[in-house]
Amino acid sequence: DTGVSQDPRHKITKRGQNVTFRCDPISEHNRLYWYRQTLGQGPEFLTYFQNEAQLEKSRLLSDRFSAERPKGSFSTLEIQRTEQGDSAMYLCASRHLSGSVREQFFGPGTRLTVL
Amino acid sequence: GESVGLHLPTLSVQEGDNSIINCAYSNSASDYFIWYKQESGKGPQFIIDIRSNMDKRQGQRVTVLLNKTVKHLSLQIAATQPGDSAVYFCAEMNRDDKIIFGKGTRLHILP
Repeated sequence: DTGVSQDPRHKITKRGQNVTFRCDPISEHNRLYWYRQTLGQGPEFLTYFQNEAQLEKSRLLSDRFSAERPKGSFSTLEIQRTEQGDSAMYLCASRHLSGSVREQFFGPGTRLTVL
Repeated sequence: GESVGLHLPTLSVQEGDNSIINCAYSNSASDYFIWYKQESGKGPQFIIDIRSNMDKRQGQRVTVLLNKTVKHLSLQIAATQPGDSAVYFCAEMNRDDKIIFGKGTRLHILP
């Protein structure tokens, strides 16, 4: 499968614990995005990278959240001191910044449940 | 501010009939719109897109219509099939390359 992959698919944690998610974009895609989706809502933008540079962070991304893309390939999203309000699906997407195609390809998501 | 929303949360359609899903957007400066399909447990899947300099675009069994005058977007699915059951999101992409999604419409296919 050459699509966007995310790991783990599901994560259950207790409030106050730290969690880390991984996203592997489609090979050669230089832009990588993180979104969060709560039940019954559309995904909301969190942050995105061009290669290893983090270009923008949403106001939704509190200081407990940090994202990295150290080598411009895979990315990690870490949530420290998780809260019940962090329970959501975390989606990763990628695309190649070239030409006129603007389609972002989404991964299957990591569903986080904070107890 | 920017927002993209849908008129109906749920739509039930008889198998074989055509489906029409509507969307209203508020940012008149938006220049690119996308429809996504999301099945249970999966990420959003691109269906079709349209730029603001167009008013209609057709794909395989799907058509997107854009009315900039009233800031309205619609997705038409021809000959709806059971596999079309999903939540459909309209979305806009701004110049900063962020997708802004609406709340979604759940499409139910009746046998």
